[in-house]
Amino acid sequence: KQEVTQIPAALSVPEGENLVLNCSFTDSAIYNLQWFRQDPGKGLTSLLLIQSSQREQTSGRLNASLDKSSGRSTLYIAASQPGDSATYLCAVGSGYSTLTFGKGTMLLVSP
Amino acid sequence: DTAVSQTPKYLVTQMGNDKSIKCEQNLGHDTMYWYKQDSKKFLKIMFSYNNKELIINETVPNRFSPKSPDKAHLNLHINSLELGDSAVYFCASSPYGLAGGPYNEQFFGPGTRLTVL
Repeated sequence: KQEVTQIPAALSVPEGENLVLNCSFTDSAIYNLQWFRQDPGKGLTSLLLIQSSQREQTSGRLNASLDKSSGRSTLYIAASQPGDSATYLCAVGSGYSTLTFGKGTMLLVSP
Repeated sequence: DTAVSQTPKYLVTQMGNDKSIKCEQNLGHDTMYWYKQDSKKFLKIMFSYNNKELIINETVPNRFSPKSPDKAHLNLHINSLELGDSAVYFCASSPYGLAGGPYNEQFFGPGTRLTVL
């Protein structure tokens, strides 16, 4: 059974810092990995999708990497801004293309 | 131009009642899902439908019954509601079925917060 772990559970940084969120998964037989953002009381916004054959994906200030063999992914956020404050969720696609989620990293970027 | 929409956004009801949550996607996707986010914010798959056919049914009580009248809609009906059903329910969709694998990016609706009193 796939299990997804995200570290740290919470992170607080001053504006402008670069930061890394970590995700690990137990079963490397995955189709893809998605990073989402969830704002309080809101739905999930897809940030990046990394296919199982890819090593990384970039979107603006976000860069996500995937090392399938070691069961790890990282989300790098450059030059963090207060508007980046949210919970970031890592989800692994496997089986019947359903997603297994981690418990998230709650990020607070202070001005 | 909402991609995945859900109604209602909030639902407050008494124990024992029956309620439904509706989901619609206008993305032309083949697969739709229901996820449950519990009080600890943990998201877990409940059901997956591909072209109106049930693909996945996780360990969900049979009081929960999804219904897909067409490819763009997946509704969730819940019978005999219990206190433990209180959660946020998210609908999602993705372009492909099982064969789509790596390309199957999922898009989520805004969620329905269900409170059972």
